[in-house]
Amino acid sequence: DGGITQSPKYLFRKEGQNVTLSCEQNLNHDAMYWYRQDPGQGLRLIYYSQIVNDFQKGDIAEGYSVSREKKESFPLTVTSAQKNPTAFYLCASSIGDRSSYEQYFGPGTRLTVT
Amino acid sequence: AQKVTQAQTEISVVEKEDVTLDCVYETRDTTYYLFWYKQPPSGELVFLIRRNSFDEQNEISGRYSWNFQKSTSSFNFTITASQVVDSAVYFCALSEGSTLGRLYFGRGTQLTVWP
Repeated sequence: DGGITQSPKYLFRKEGQNVTLSCEQNLNHDAMYWYRQDPGQGLRLIYYSQIVNDFQKGDIAEGYSVSREKKESFPLTVTSAQKNPTAFYLCASSIGDRSSYEQYFGPGTRLTVT
Repeated sequence: AQKVTQAQTEISVVEKEDVTLDCVYETRDTTYYLFWYKQPPSGELVFLIRRNSFDEQNEISGRYSWNFQKSTSSFNFTITASQVVDSAVYFCALSEGSTLGRLYFGRGTQLTVWP
């Protein structure tokens, strides 16, 4: 079945540690996105990538980093510089970067940092 | 400024009631797209519908219907004869022709349908 996988579903880390969230898609989509969701908030864009080896900052990129070495993979690293990392992280992909394309979402990773 | 406003934070209804979720957007682009997504308790967002700015026809899909009005910058979503399985957070989102691939989300409306 085609889709987006994110692992793990729940992740716990100690403050000061970097952590990498996985996102893989087998939809052959060019564009991929990372969002952060906090309680009572909409989704806020962290980073997006329109094509392999290229990515752009979204609205809240500080304290995060990404790579896009393969079309199907777009991992997100939450660094120790991110002041408030506990949140629900959602990865998405779309066929391309045109504004008409809908985005498809993975199941999300809930990160808790203590 | 918020590009998409969902003023209703939470709505509770009893099964079989009709319910309308409001969405108001703001953009200067003439070409744009509006979306609705559903987020059940599992967390994954499910795509429901996309409308482009040149098509103001209302759309119906089963118990779901959408009313797009450019004059009021609104794209409201109605669920007819609601069911418990409709309980979820619903997000309205905007994509502008000038900002490729970017989706701007509202804060969502938590819908609870009681049996």
